[in-house]
Amino acid sequence: EPEVTQTPSHQVTQMGQEVILRCVPISNHLYFYWYRQILGQKVEFLVSFYNNEISEKSEIFDDQFSVERPDGSNFTLKIRSTKLEDSAMYFCASSLGPTQHFGDGTRLSIL
Amino acid sequence: AQSVTQLGSHVSVSEGALVLLRCNYSSSVPPYLFWYVQYPNQGLQLLLKYTSAATLVKGINGFEAEFKKSETSFHLTKPSAHMSDAAEYFCAVSTTGTASKLTFGTGTRLQVTL
Repeated sequence: EPEVTQTPSHQVTQMGQEVILRCVPISNHLYFYWYRQILGQKVEFLVSFYNNEISEKSEIFDDQFSVERPDGSNFTLKIRSTKLEDSAMYFCASSLGPTQHFGDGTRLSIL
Repeated sequence: AQSVTQLGSHVSVSEGALVLLRCNYSSSVPPYLFWYVQYPNQGLQLLLKYTSAATLVKGINGFEAEFKKSETSFHLTKPSAHMSDAAEYFCAVSTTGTASKLTFGTGTRLQVTL
């Protein structure tokens, strides 16, 4: 069964550094998403992306965040200048319709 | 705006007992509803979904859920718990748009004891 794959599984970064989280969505899917889960809290929506532009973004997704689909297979989330509070598990998801399929996540640890 | 409330952050059942995980939603438009399961150090796996067809929905691993509009509920059940069911379960709601964001509940951790 096709999967959403995310790399790396764990990223450790110094505060203030830029980080790029990578995702390969399911190949025929058209809609892409990022969510995050701070330890012990619920999964929160960050952004959705369709047809090479952002469809919707949450209040969390401020100017420090950006998304890109640089080629036909990858979907990336960039955090420009990381803060301690960006430490979380980041999930990528993709869909063709209403059902979103999730990757295993990238655990981002900011020191 | 949409929201989900999951009653009980931790539920413990004996192996072979009924599993009931509660989910109530709030939505100003007809919702789509989902249950996802998360095993340790893994992503979110879809258990089942309601997308405005049959109100009783069957999913993987013997789970099912019933959409009750009058009660704004979408509770998850399984007749007989298995040790392998121990995980975190998340209820989520979206609107009926194709690329609508998911709004998650806070999750329920299911413990299964011998």
